[in-house]
Amino acid sequence: DTAVSQTPKYLVTQMGNDKSIKCEQNLGHDTMYWYKQDSKKFLKIMFSYNNKELIINETVPNRFSPKSPDKAHLNLHINSLELGDSAVYFCASSQDFRGAGYGYTFGSGTRLTVV
Amino acid sequence: SQQGEEDPQALSIQEGENATMNCSYKTSINNLQWYRQNSGRGLVHLILIRSNEREKHSGRLRVTLDTSKKSSSLLITASRAADTASYFCATSSGGSYIPTFGRGTSLIVHP
Repeated sequence: DTAVSQTPKYLVTQMGNDKSIKCEQNLGHDTMYWYKQDSKKFLKIMFSYNNKELIINETVPNRFSPKSPDKAHLNLHINSLELGDSAVYFCASSQDFRGAGYGYTFGSGTRLTVV
Repeated sequence: SQQGEEDPQALSIQEGENATMNCSYKTSINNLQWYRQNSGRGLVHLILIRSNEREKHSGRLRVTLDTSKKSSSLLITASRAADTASYFCATSSGGSYIPTFGRGTSLIVHP
């Protein structure tokens, strides 16, 4: 069973479109995250939700809006896509918001290409 | 927030050799983690070492932490071709438990 699953795995879309990426974890974890990995492999935190509540919101354009319908799901909606949004987006989860104590479980990533 | 910086950026070795990667950081940490990322995949948690620990082992992996030098090393002994991947360190510090990642070391193990 996949612990953290993201869909879609690949997403190619035109500039200006709106798209969503979905994430689900079946680990019973309380905290979920979205990370963005650029072409140089730099991994940067975007958002963190703990039990459906937003706890981290890094400097991210407000075109990016996370939504957590329940603690097992954290979706990422992106409006008006730009070329610079092209990257790999990773969802992750941890047992609680102190997750660093136990490590994070990552999904396999969604490669977004904006053309 | 700070990030760890891995060194070297790239490492190429033969199967059976040991691989050592280093991570340096700037401010005091709560803990430091190492992750592996195979090409096109997500990150896999390897080891977490707390600021009051100096060394941890897991199978062929050995992690050391020197808080006086603000550095950590990851040693993979008797490397295998399957160890080919990027290795990242991630630090969390202060009141934030969110780890910040470095850019990784790309390890290639030739069979």
